[in-house]
Parts: sequence; structure tokens; C-alpha cells
Amino acid sequence: AQTVTQSQPEMSVQEAETVTLSCTYDTSESDYYLFWYKQPPSRQMILVIRQEAYKQQNATENRFSVNFQKAAKSFSLKISDSQLGDAAMYFCAYRSSWMNFGNEKLTFGTGTRLTIIP
Amino acid sequence: GAVVSQHPSWVICKSGTSVKIECRSLDFQATTMFWYRQFPKQSLMLMATSNEGSKATYEQGVEKDKFLINHASLTLSTLTVTSAHPEDSSFYICSARSTSNTEAFFGQGTRLTVV
Repeated sequence: AQTVTQSQPEMSVQEAETVTLSCTYDTSESDYYLFWYKQPPSRQMILVIRQEAYKQQNATENRFSVNFQKAAKSFSLKISDSQLGDAAMYFCAYRSSWMNFGNEKLTFGTGTRLTIIP
Repeated sequence: GAVVSQHPSWVICKSGTSVKIECRSLDFQATTMFWYRQFPKQSLMLMATSNEGSKATYEQGVEKDKFLINHASLTLSTLTVTSAHPEDSSFYICSARSTSNTEAFFGQGTRLTVV
């Protein structure tokens, strides 16, 4: 079974600075997807960024980028120019690829609470 | 992006009664829906996966007779908590995915309080 580990329960960053959230995972599969989700106080889960394991290029979405190290099974999220609205709980998640039908569920890490200091 | 609507947002019910939570995909056909439970300051725990027209697959430790899941159409799945007890109080979140989507889209969640 796959596992996802987030070793930082809490992180804080000064507004406009950069912060990196860590995530490691364990799997025996070669093809899969990795996600970062944001859960603000409203508790609505919002997809931040997605990475396909077969792609070597790191995904980027505006101020959000990932450092995907497949061999090390590491998937960190970098938030640049942090804004007050980035304050939230961030969850790293793993999902098997399309070819593994019946095993499409998301496995979540325990989350990292990010605080933005004005 | 795709929209998933969950209703109600919050509900209070008496111990021993049943409560139904709806999850609707508004602009796509959800072939697969997932139900999660989230305790305060914890991660999401998958309860069950349902595919349209078939029985739900429950995760180990989840009582299928207590948490009834129905996915009768491609846009609607329901979770019924039967004979609710205070320990069932939690935040329940659904997500939905179509065969054309890589990711699942989440509803806004339902806070259930059993008194």
C-alpha cells in the first residue's frame, strides 16, 4: 500500500517570502499522480498543483511549483511571494495512474498548517 | 473547473436518527465518487468509493451498514449515516471524478453534529 508522509505539522513564512513544504511517499508503482491540495478555514479542498510521475519536468502554477524527485520519492511544494490568502492546511496526496483501475483513491498525508506572517 | 456541490453544509441531529448527505456533480458526469471523513486537525480518511450503478467499496474498518452509500446516477451520490451517535460527529467530504479527469473535485463538506 502507498503511504504519504508530511513531516512538518506547521510552517510559517513572512509575507512575500518563499516557503517550501515537504512531502515524501512510498510506492512500488512506476506510474502515478501526485497532488498538493489546500484546505483553507472554509475547509473546501482546493487543488493547488498536480504532477504526473512519468513527466520529468516539474509542474508550475503561477507562484506554486514543485520539486519532484522520483528516485527519492520526494514531492515538495514551493510557494513564492507568499500572500495572506495562502494561509491554510496543505495536503500532499498520491493516486495510482489510469492503468490501475479500481485503485483510484487518493492517499493523503497528514498535512502541514501554513501561517503567513504579515 | 468542475463543480461538486455537497448538501447540507452542516446538520445537527438527535442520537438514534439517520441523516442523509448529498453530493452532486453539477457540470460533469461523475463515474466515481469518494466519501471522506475528517476529524479536527487531521487528514482526510477515505470511507468508501462508489461507482455509478454498483455497490460501494468500503475501506477496512468502515461499517457499511452504518454508512450507507448510494450512487444511483452519474451526478448524485448520497451518504446516509444511520442510527447516528455522538461519535459519528465529524466533517464529511465527498469528491467526484469522471473518466476524463485526472483529478477528483471536492464538495464543500458537511459538518455533522449528533446530540
